[in-house]
Amino acid sequence: AQSVTQLDSHVSVSEGTPVLLRCNYSSSYSPSLFWYVQHPNKGLQLLLKYTSAATLVKGINGFEAEFKKSETSFHLTKPSAHMSDAAEYFCVVSDKTVMKTSYDKVIFGPGTSLSVIP
Amino acid sequence: DTGVSQNPRHKITKRGQNVTFRCDPISEHNRLYWYRQTLGQGPEFLTYFQNEAQLEKSRLLSDRFSAERPKGSFSTLEIQRTEQGDSAMYLCASSPLLRDTQYFGPGTRLTVL
Repeated sequence: AQSVTQLDSHVSVSEGTPVLLRCNYSSSYSPSLFWYVQHPNKGLQLLLKYTSAATLVKGINGFEAEFKKSETSFHLTKPSAHMSDAAEYFCVVSDKTVMKTSYDKVIFGPGTSLSVIP
Repeated sequence: DTGVSQNPRHKITKRGQNVTFRCDPISEHNRLYWYRQTLGQGPEFLTYFQNEAQLEKSRLLSDRFSAERPKGSFSTLEIQRTEQGDSAMYLCASSPLLRDTQYFGPGTRLTVL
């Protein structure tokens, strides 16, 4: 069965320092993996997506994530945090094989709240 | 591409009342999804449409919940006899048929008093 673990419910960094948000997943086959960001009172926005091409995925706003199959991880990083990065971040797994009806079943992690200190 | 829209953005209702939410997906997106998100949690899948056909429903979707997508465009989610436990953010997402990236609307926040 699919599952997603986000190891930190809250991360706090100083502006200009690196960001690391951790995600581990469990999936039977080869999943697609996503990171979404949710700002207060805003909709979920796709940051980046992994679909078995390059293991290092670059997203918007300077974020990137590395898929490590041996560690079943998909951690999100950014070299330098900006105040506008403060938000809730969700790691998502989509397993194409769970398809009795040919849709992509997605499972969201519980989220990591990122705070950026001036 | 105007994005996924949802109405209303906020709904306050009394326990026992019925409520209906609307989702307008990105035009030409065949797939439409409903999720529920409670405070401090990630979204949980409720149901999925491919065009007008409802192809998957979560066990979270009790018989008080019903969703429709009559013409394969907009969708409605109705909750009958609301309970306080229904208070949550209800999110809608859409995607093209052959791509797995889902695009989310801003959500409808329901408060049941």
